[in-house]
Amino acid sequence: DQQVKQNSPSLSVQEGRISILNCDYTNSMFDYFLWYKKYPAEGPTFLISISSIKDKNEDGRFTVFLNKSAKHLSLHIVPSQPGDSAVYFCALDGGATNKLIFGTGTLLAVQP
Amino acid sequence: NAGVTQTPKFRILKIGQSMTLQCTQDMNHNYMYWYRQDPGMGLKLIYYSVGAGITDKGEVPNGYNVSRSTTEDFPLRLELAAPSQTSVYFCASSYGATYGYTFGSGTRLTVV
Repeated sequence: DQQVKQNSPSLSVQEGRISILNCDYTNSMFDYFLWYKKYPAEGPTFLISISSIKDKNEDGRFTVFLNKSAKHLSLHIVPSQPGDSAVYFCALDGGATNKLIFGTGTLLAVQP
Repeated sequence: NAGVTQTPKFRILKIGQSMTLQCTQDMNHNYMYWYRQDPGMGLKLIYYSVGAGITDKGEVPNGYNVSRSTTEDFPLRLELAAPSQTSVYFCASSYGATYGYTFGSGTRLTVV
């Protein structure tokens, strides 16, 4: 029973173009949504987040969109840069539990 | 500012051996977590702690034990190592999930 799915294991994008990473979830109890970025041989690092009362949050080149009715979360990176090449995990918080449930990750490769 | 420190970075164990993965944080976070990441999979929660003296099981606790005697330290104990425990282990800490986690750099464990 996988509560959080990232259906694209990998994504390749040209430098300067938009990268769109997607995340689907099954349970409406989640009220806070986060994206983490992970380079090889390092721990994940927090990138951007959004609460369930919003549908969009921006931070520089990174924008997270939340569609609660569709139970869908996406991360847009514009413009994409080679340094963005990493594995991206979505993570969902059920609130009172203070525990994050992670997706399986999407490997983004930005080609120069 | 060390953040979350994990030791060792790499370890090879023989089947049936035991070991302790160390995790220390210097941010005075109450919440601490242990995750494992298997190839192609997301991060699975093993154990977590909401403060010194309080621990609870996560999604995949079998074969592991934890203790939390101080705010700073959250060691993970593997008893009777099995090949299924071959994985990368990440420790994390937080003020609460909505604040995001700070992860350590991971311990790569191989059981042969």
